[in-house]
Amino acid sequence: GENVEQHPSTLSVQEGDSAVIKCTYSDSASNYFPWYKQELGKRPQLIIDIRSNVGEKKDQRIAVTLNKTAKHFSLHITETQPEDSAVYFCAASSGGYQKVTFGTGTKLQVIP
Amino acid sequence: SAVISQKPSRDICQRGTSLTIQCQVDSQVTMMFWYRQQPGQSLTLIATANQGSEATYESGFVIDKFPISRPNLTFSTLTVSNMSPEDSSIYLCSGEGTGEAFFGQGTRLTVV
Repeated sequence: GENVEQHPSTLSVQEGDSAVIKCTYSDSASNYFPWYKQELGKRPQLIIDIRSNVGEKKDQRIAVTLNKTAKHFSLHITETQPEDSAVYFCAASSGGYQKVTFGTGTKLQVIP
Repeated sequence: SAVISQKPSRDICQRGTSLTIQCQVDSQVTMMFWYRQQPGQSLTLIATANQGSEATYESGFVIDKFPISRPNLTFSTLTVSNMSPEDSSIYLCSGEGTGEAFFGQGTRLTVV
């Protein structure tokens, strides 16, 4: 089955700096890669996703890149703000209503 | 995306008893999933709930312990049976539409 690894497990950045979270996956059949943000005590919320037919996707301060050859994908948050502080999960799926496999999570702290 | 209402939001249960968690989606979804999340950890898939057929369980999870119902495309239940303190966790249901997973608010279960 799919295995998703995520690094780092914790990340502290100064407000205004950028944050990068990296993930690798094992199943070459995976073609859908969502990222979730989970604030303390709340449900995971989808913040951005990318499909295997594109290499990069951007939404305001958030961008995701995908390297299918290397089976790597990354989340980039620019101009970080204190409200970006949360746990971020990457995930992978082969789509078509298949199960989503989650990474281990990154706890991001943005220091004001 | 669709909205999932999950209940109860939390419960404290005696060991040896059972708890049924319900998830109601505001629109029809093909697939529903049940996850367990220990505090500070990632999401572990318990099973995939299919309408009209038996749920598909992941390694380490069995139907006798976690029976699931999926009577229609908008509703599912997960029962945690014969509970022990090791079952204390957050349980989340998820619905999937064209690859995007969205979550219920979670059930925080404490077994004493």
